[in-house]
Amino acid sequence: LAKTTQPISMDSYEGQEVNITCSHNNIATNDYITWYQQFPSQGPRFIIQGYKTKVTNEVASLFIPADRKSSTLSLPRVSLSDTAVYYCLVGDPSTGGSYIPTFGRGTSLIVHP
Amino acid sequence: DGGITQSPKYLFRKEGQNVTLSCEQNLNHDAMYWYRQDPGQGLRLIYYSQIVNDFQKGDIAEGYSVSREKKESFPLTVTSAQKNPTAFYLCASSIPGQGTEKLFFGSGTQLSVL
Repeated sequence: LAKTTQPISMDSYEGQEVNITCSHNNIATNDYITWYQQFPSQGPRFIIQGYKTKVTNEVASLFIPADRKSSTLSLPRVSLSDTAVYYCLVGDPSTGGSYIPTFGRGTSLIVHP
Repeated sequence: DGGITQSPKYLFRKEGQNVTLSCEQNLNHDAMYWYRQDPGQGLRLIYYSQIVNDFQKGDIAEGYSVSREKKESFPLTVTSAQKNPTAFYLCASSIPGQGTEKLFFGSGTQLSVL
């Protein structure tokens, strides 16, 4: 499984754009990149998933360069409610039993007033 | 509403006692997972099951046991052999083999030792 590296923590202010980068140097050809968000005392929830270039949904954007060795989760105009831990996962969901979602420590984002 | 339900929300264990955490889903998902989370840490995989009547050990299975007799249910037993059970336990489910697989999590069970 591809190992991921993220910053342990980040700080931002309300209204700013936040970019969280995840490194995954040994990503495999068929691997997807998935991001989850976790609030205290809750289970993580899916935010976005992508394979290459750019993916956007109502919550965030995901930028993936051509070499796919890193990816950046972009949160536009954050608010206090975006304070959470963000996890980057890499793997090939299509492999069925051999894909085991593995979570690292994630990035703790704190949004200040 | 479809979802994944964990109970109880809080659980206390006495020394030498086995306790069972419940996880039920009505999403018709084949795969289910148990994770453990310690304060300030990420999620560590305890056990997972890709299909009924089959399950596999994760990274930290020692001191835990599971069963998967029904598709909807994946209970986790924390045995007395688990010497440091205090943690937040999360159950998740997904549809394996899908190109855009995503995990759905329950709201968790906080287990503490008396």
